[in-house]
Amino acid sequence: DTGVSQDPRHKITKRGQNVTFRCDPISEHNRLYWYRQTLGQGPEFLTYFQNEAQLEKSRLLSDRFSAERPKGSFSTLEIQRTEQGDSAMYLCASSLAGSLGSTDTQYFGPGTRLTVL
Amino acid sequence: GQQLNQSPQSMFIQEGEDVSMNCTSSSIFNTWLWYKQDPGEGPVLLIALYKAGELTSNGRLTAQFGITRKDSFLNISASIPSDVGIYFCAGRGFGVGNEKLTFGTGTRLTIIP
Repeated sequence: DTGVSQDPRHKITKRGQNVTFRCDPISEHNRLYWYRQTLGQGPEFLTYFQNEAQLEKSRLLSDRFSAERPKGSFSTLEIQRTEQGDSAMYLCASSLAGSLGSTDTQYFGPGTRLTVL
Repeated sequence: GQQLNQSPQSMFIQEGEDVSMNCTSSSIFNTWLWYKQDPGEGPVLLIALYKAGELTSNGRLTAQFGITRKDSFLNISASIPSDVGIYFCAGRGFGVGNEKLTFGTGTRLTIIP
């Protein structure tokens, strides 16, 4: 299967600890997005990359959050000094943009569920 | 952050019934998408709409991109048990710098035995 994959699927951590999540996009996709979803809400945009360049960051992405996509393939999202309010599902999506006939449609991974105790 | 207005919030139906839900926005969108999400999983794309007025079907699902570009609806015909889940609309703005999706608040579909 060549869909978007995320690791880990679940993470439980204590307040104040750092956590890192990984996303592997669909192999030919050049855009990669991170969203956060809290219980009962739709996903909310955090940031996105085109190849290795981070092109947009939401104001939801506080300075404790950092995302990278060093080689334009997989991406990592790190949260430093976690707080209980960071508990959420973190979703990754990828799309193909700029190619003839591409629709830039975003396909999502299964998510990483973070619980901060 | 901004979320689109999606209605109804929840639906309780019997198997075999048709379902209709819609999504409205105060902003115009270039693209409308409909996703389904099961508990503990990521959203799965159902239908993508790229032109105002477009009506697109995917099996028992039909969706339309509103003429004003500010709304969309999704219909499911002859519902079956695997249709249970949460349905989200999502819109994408125009041009460079508007690549992110803005999601609706979701419609939870439950099938009563």
